[in-house]
Amino acid sequence: KAGVTQTPRYLIKTRGQQVTLSCSPISGHRSVSWYQQTPGQGLQFLFEYFSETQRNKGNFPGRFSGRQFSNSRSEMNVSTLELGDSALYLCASSLDRAQLNSPLHFGNGTRLTVT
Amino acid sequence: AQSVTQLDSHVSVSEGTPVLLRCNYSSSYSPSLFWYVQHPNKGLQLLLKYTSAATLVKGINGFEAEFKKSETSFHLTKPSAHMSDAAEYFCVVSASGSARQLTFGSGTQLTVLP
Repeated sequence: KAGVTQTPRYLIKTRGQQVTLSCSPISGHRSVSWYQQTPGQGLQFLFEYFSETQRNKGNFPGRFSGRQFSNSRSEMNVSTLELGDSALYLCASSLDRAQLNSPLHFGNGTRLTVT
Repeated sequence: AQSVTQLDSHVSVSEGTPVLLRCNYSSSYSPSLFWYVQHPNKGLQLLLKYTSAATLVKGINGFEAEFKKSETSFHLTKPSAHMSDAAEYFCVVSASGSARQLTFGSGTQLTVLP
């Protein structure tokens, strides 16, 4: 069974631009979460989607948004990029958010560099 | 509210010696606890999870962790380190309830010396 797939693996953008990252969860997984990883802040929760609805959101500005499609694939968008948005963005999927103990399976991430 | 504290940012051991990575947690609810490992430029891989069943949890690659409620700890151990264990390890807490939000520790970088 294929794992969580994130595309692209690397991105370089300029301040002020916007970017869209894509995540395909493990087949059958319906919950998708996004995390930002930086050396200074560590891993921080962005948001979680389930059944095409955002279920939970972390403490990030409105420039960060996302969505989930009917096939559970998810995208996240960052508008008006800032230098501080440079990070590894990780997507994780789980079978069913109702199973709180079901672990997250992570993709390899998208490395975003903002110049 | 929930939080996780990983007590060591770096741990260095010799190959073949025991590994101990320390984690303390705080949670308002009955927590689920996890250990994840991250190799360079990779995502996180689940090592093991505690979900209120047995307090001693065995994971992959010979790792195990013991949940101690009285000490609010969930330390990760391995009897004998291997070079391939060199990576960053994250202790994670998930509170019971409707949210799937995880709180990650700051990570412990494990170095294994030959």
